[in-house]
Amino acid sequence: QKEVEQNSGPLSVPEGAIASLNCTYSDRVSQSFFWYRQYSGKSPELIMSIYSNGDKEDGRFTAQLNKASQYVSLLIRDSQPSDSATYLCAVGVTGTASKLTFGTGTRLQVTL
Amino acid sequence: DTGVSQDPRHKITKRGQNVTFRCDPISEHNRLYWYRQTLGQGPEFLTYFQNEAQLEKSRLLSDRFSAERPKGSFSTLEIQRTEQGDSAMYLCASIPPNSYEQYFGPGTRLTVT
Repeated sequence: QKEVEQNSGPLSVPEGAIASLNCTYSDRVSQSFFWYRQYSGKSPELIMSIYSNGDKEDGRFTAQLNKASQYVSLLIRDSQPSDSATYLCAVGVTGTASKLTFGTGTRLQVTL
Repeated sequence: DTGVSQDPRHKITKRGQNVTFRCDPISEHNRLYWYRQTLGQGPEFLTYFQNEAQLEKSRLLSDRFSAERPKGSFSTLEIQRTEQGDSAMYLCASIPPNSYEQYFGPGTRLTVT
């Protein structure tokens, strides 16, 4: 079982729709959760972090965390073509190293 | 530009050669990470520094790999006797004090022929 699992996609949504990206993780002691956006050939860009159960909103992005179900999601409202990218879910165990374990990413395509 | 910088951005080398990459973190970021990413995969943790101390290394980091962070500022990652399987994007990330958010540099893409 992979430590962080994501559907590889592609997830295709029309412009203006809500894109929903999901991630599950296996390590119950995980305490920090992140979503990164990665355009082809570029490095990951941090878009959201979440540490406690519930929702966290930032502009068009909402991160949702459910530690009991070991589940993290990212909602993108009013999707734009510029949102087309791979979205990486990353999970950390806070402590000395705080290293991140990444999923393989979900490719999102926003169509006109 | 005050972000994480990496040099070179691209490196093509022949199998068996040694290569060295450099990462300059955001100033005042005391923690620095190296990751490796291959096509279709997420980044994989290689090693971690807090200031100048290398505190953790992944099992992925074979004896051919070495990393340093002298004086707790920039870091270097050296790969000796490169193999084709070393071809990947090598990413550096840094974290400011009292935070868990990692900010990545642009990466160094290594191609071993």
